[in-house]
Amino acid sequence: EIVLTQSPATLSLSPGERATLSCRASQNINKYLAWYQQNPGQAPRLLIYDASNRATAIPARFSGSASGADFTLTISSLEPEDFAVYFCQQRYNWPPVFGQGTRLEIK
Amino acid sequence: QVQLVQSGAEVKKPGASVKVSCQASGYTFNDYYLHWVRQAPGQGLEWVGWINPDSGGTNYAQRFQGRVTMTRDASINTAYMELSSLKSDDTAVYFCARDRWERLSRDIFNYWGQGTLVSVSS
Repeated sequence: EIVLTQSPATLSLSPGERATLSCRASQNINKYLAWYQQNPGQAPRLLIYDASNRATAIPARFSGSASGADFTLTISSLEPEDFAVYFCQQRYNWPPVFGQGTRLEIK
Repeated sequence: QVQLVQSGAEVKKPGASVKVSCQASGYTFNDYYLHWVRQAPGQGLEWVGWINPDSGGTNYAQRFQGRVTMTRDASINTAYMELSSLKSDDTAVYFCARDRWERLSRDIFNYWGQGTLVSVSS
């Protein structure tokens, strides 16, 4: 089973700053990685699929990229509503697996 | 608009079973696979399995095989997940989530239910 390792566990930034979240796969997953945002008490929301494709209605400040087994979610300029937990998820191999999450908190 | 509405919270004793429902609206129920994902308190997300609402076919994560059963009633656009032989570490919020791709399981979850808390305690 593929393991996804997210870093950092917690990221403390201020509104307006740029956020860079990482997800590393234990083996090749091609481009088949998604990112989700989850606010407390809510369901996750799909942000990015297949490494770099924004989901419907996701603002342009969210972008995804890939380099080998390393994936990055970038939020170009943080809005107050962006402070949440972010999960990556691979779908290249069965079963689909999620990373342990990165908490993005207000500094 | 697409909506997935789940049944309410459940409290169960160890060894019991629980059945959670997920009623879909805003799209053609049979056209999209439905997945179940769970989240233990303060923890990450874990995929449980999927059901093809059209055929009733299922695919379960290995660790749940033998304990989980996913079914559907297309006449009321509702999918169900039943988990048996409950243990305390099955305590979690269980989400249903619709696949992004029509008539395929591509394991991209773009619509989610609100979640159902299942608590297992003696």
